[in-house]
Amino acid sequence: SQTIHQWPATLVQPVGSPLSLECTVEGTSNPNLYWYRQAAGRGLQLLFYSVGIGQISSEVPQNLSASRPQDRQFILSSKKLLLSDSGFYLCAWSVLENTEAFFGQGTRLTVV
Amino acid sequence: AQKITQTQPGMFVQEKEAVTLDCTYDTSDPSYGLFWYKQPSSGEMIFLIYQGSYDQQNATEGRYSLNFQKARKSANLVISASQLGDSAMYFCAMRGTASGGYNKLIFGAGTRLAVHP
Repeated sequence: SQTIHQWPATLVQPVGSPLSLECTVEGTSNPNLYWYRQAAGRGLQLLFYSVGIGQISSEVPQNLSASRPQDRQFILSSKKLLLSDSGFYLCAWSVLENTEAFFGQGTRLTVV
Repeated sequence: AQKITQTQPGMFVQEKEAVTLDCTYDTSDPSYGLFWYKQPSSGEMIFLIYQGSYDQQNATEGRYSLNFQKARKSANLVISASQLGDSAMYFCAMRGTASGGYNKLIFGAGTRLAVHP
């Protein structure tokens, strides 16, 4: 069966520090991968999506970047975190065009 | 541009009653998919129901049904026989064609549902 792993679950980082959040999917090949950010009590904002290795589409200009070094690995990074980067980050995957996306457990990031 | 609108920030319903959560969308794609997710306070995203733009019948999954009105571009979620465990945030989402691909999945702002005993 397919599973998605996202870690860490919570993270507290100082302003100006780097960030690396990792997401891996098991049990499927060539998934579409997504990174979302959710502010407290708000909806999900699509940050990046990827349809294949090395292929990244960015939805909003920001302080973050994404990479897909392997088929089932998706990494969200920042060189220098801002206070506004705080939020709940969710990774998701899907396979076919019109099937549901499956989400990881999320990472709650607090930048202090 | 694609857009999902959920106009109800919060809703409440009495236990065992039915409730409708509204969702309208905007897209120029001829083919798209509509989804509903539930997010309890734990933060996990739980898939509930899917409707394809070419599906002739409204989707149903247990107590969940989707009232799909294509001409009005609406995809409302109906929860029948509400239970206390249905209290959560509910998100409407749409997948359609993005520039260079078919894999962009966007979400509405969500509706917080509270089920009262």
